[in-house]
Amino acid sequence: KAGVTQTPRYLIKTRGQQVTLSCSPISGHRSVSWYQQTPGQGLQFLFEYFSETQRNKGNFPGRFSGRQFSNSRSEMNVSTLELGDSALYLCASSSSGTANTGELFFGEGSRLTVL
Amino acid sequence: AQSVTQLGSHVSVSEGALVLLRCNYSSSVPPYLFWYVQYPNQGLQLLLKYTSAATLVKGINGFEAEFKKSETSFHLTKPSAHMSDAAEYFCAVTYTGGFKTIFGAGTRLFVKA
Repeated sequence: KAGVTQTPRYLIKTRGQQVTLSCSPISGHRSVSWYQQTPGQGLQFLFEYFSETQRNKGNFPGRFSGRQFSNSRSEMNVSTLELGDSALYLCASSSSGTANTGELFFGEGSRLTVL
Repeated sequence: AQSVTQLGSHVSVSEGALVLLRCNYSSSVPPYLFWYVQYPNQGLQLLLKYTSAATLVKGINGFEAEFKKSETSFHLTKPSAHMSDAAEYFCAVTYTGGFKTIFGAGTRLFVKA
């Protein structure tokens, strides 16, 4: 069974640009969560989607957005990039649907560098 | 509000020594607790999880953790450290209906030869 796939793995952008990151969950998983990981802040929750609906959102500015498609694939977008957005963005999928209390399966992440 | 506190951002042990990584949680409802491990340039992978069954939970690679409700703790232990255990470890909590998993700040484990 294929794991969680994130693309691209590495990318470099400049301030003011926007970026779209993609995540393909494990087949059959309908819940997808996104996290931002930085050395100073650890893992910060961005949002969680289940069956194309955002069920929870973290404390990030509106520049951070996401969506989920009918095949459970998810994308997140960051507009008007700032230097502080440089981070490893991790996507995780889960098979536990309505309760969402189960194990998260993580991708290897997309490392974003903003210059 | 739910939160997780990991005591010690860095822990160093000698190979063969006991590993103890501390985690305390705050939750107003019954929690589900997890330990994840992250190796360099990789995502996180599950070590073990507590879901209100046995309070002593055994995970992969010889790790185990004990849920102590009275102390709101979920410390991770391994009797004998191996060089391959060097990584960053994250304690995490979630609960029914929360739709998010909250992670601690992480503890980096160093293993000396």
